Amino acid sequence: KNQVEQSPQSLIILEGKNCTLQCNYTVSPFSNLRWYKQDTGRGPVSLTIMTFSENTKSNGRYTATLDADTKQSSLHITASQLSDSASYICVVTPNYGGATNKLIFGTGTLLAVQP
Amino acid sequence: SQTIHQWPATLVQPVGSPLSLECTVEGTSNPNLYWYRQAAGRGLQLLFYSVGIGQISSEVPQNLSASRPQDRQFILSSKKLLLSDSGFYLCALKQGAGHEQYFGPGTRLTVT
Repeated sequence: KNQVEQSPQSLIILEGKNCTLQCNYTVSPFSNLRWYKQDTGRGPVSLTIMTFSENTKSNGRYTATLDADTKQSSLHITASQLSDSASYICVVTPNYGGATNKLIFGTGTLLAVQP
Repeated sequence: SQTIHQWPATLVQPVGSPLSLECTVEGTSNPNLYWYRQAAGRGLQLLFYSVGIGQISSEVPQNLSASRPQDRQFILSSKKLLLSDSGFYLCALKQGAGHEQYFGPGTRLTVT
């Protein structure tokens, strides 16, 4: 069964600290993996996308890694800011895409950055 | 670039009342459109998708229906709301052969 699991469920860190969020997936065949940031009460916004052949992708203070062999991905946030407080969702696209594009969503990690 | 509009932003409706949520998109033509529901503490659940005007596919049996009367308009409806219909409803679009979906701002529905 195609699943995406994220850990931790929630995380509290102090402003300026780094943190790493984890994503494990069982989706196969696999096309790509995205990390989305969802602010409270807003729609998700894509941060990074990686295909199975990519190991790392950066977007400012966000760096995503992917290990296609172990089916694991991580999102590292450097020098956290208060505005980083949000839910971070790992989304995997199976490799049979098409119009249905049945993305497999994780339940997200809720990050709270405190001053 | 494409823009997705959803309204209303928030809605409180009594059980048994009808529902109509609207999604309109700009800056794109002939997109695939999607309705998702996000319950508290759970991942996004795909409800409906549409590849063109009048073409609707339902992913899960439920109390809801969808329609696409125009290329850039996607509507989510219900004749009689249930308490379990409460949630955060997101409209999304996909343009072209790529797999990235862009999400709208969402509608928070509370059924009382």
